[in-house]
Amino acid sequence: SQTIHQWPATLVQPVGSPLSLECTVEGTSNPNLYWYRQAAGRGLQLLFYSVGIGQISSEVPQNLSASRPQDRQFILSSKKLLLSDSGFYLCAWDQRATIYFGEGSWLTVV
Amino acid sequence: GQNIDQPTEMTATEGAIVQINCTYQTSGFNGLFWYQQHAGEAPTFLSYNVLDGLEEKGRFSSFLSRSKGYSYLLLKELQMKDSASYLCAVLYGNKLVFGAGTILRVKS
Repeated sequence: SQTIHQWPATLVQPVGSPLSLECTVEGTSNPNLYWYRQAAGRGLQLLFYSVGIGQISSEVPQNLSASRPQDRQFILSSKKLLLSDSGFYLCAWDQRATIYFGEGSWLTVV
Repeated sequence: GQNIDQPTEMTATEGAIVQINCTYQTSGFNGLFWYQQHAGEAPTFLSYNVLDGLEEKGRFSSFLSRSKGYSYLLLKELQMKDSASYLCAVLYGNKLVFGAGTILRVKS
């Protein structure tokens, strides 16, 4: 069966520090992969999606970037975090048009 | 835009039935999803509608009317554990857009 993992689960980072969140999918090949962000009390916002290695589409202009160095690996990064980057970050993949989420990563920028 | 509207909060009693509505912009529609999200956790998939009508899955049912741009999630025999946020999401092309979610509070 397919599983998705992302880490770290929680982190507290100072303003201006870098960020790296990693996500891997097991049990499938060539999945579509997504990064979403959910700010406190708000809906899920699509940040990036990828249909294959090295193929990244950005949905909103922001302080973040994404990379897909391997088929089942998706990385969310920032060179310098802002306070507004705080939130719940979710990696996801889809199967037959249904999106399934990883466990999520809580980021607090202080 | 692709406005997806759903009520912010609802309260219902244990054992009762509750209906959570969702309206959306119909242009580019490719399917509608409902997710459940407990506080502090990732959303979990509940249902998928692409054709008009009712899809039933245990205590949960989801209805779609494509011409009206309308869906609802029906929860029967409410339990305390159903207290959560319910997210309506619409697939436009290959992009899934989420509503802000409806917080459901189940009281005894």
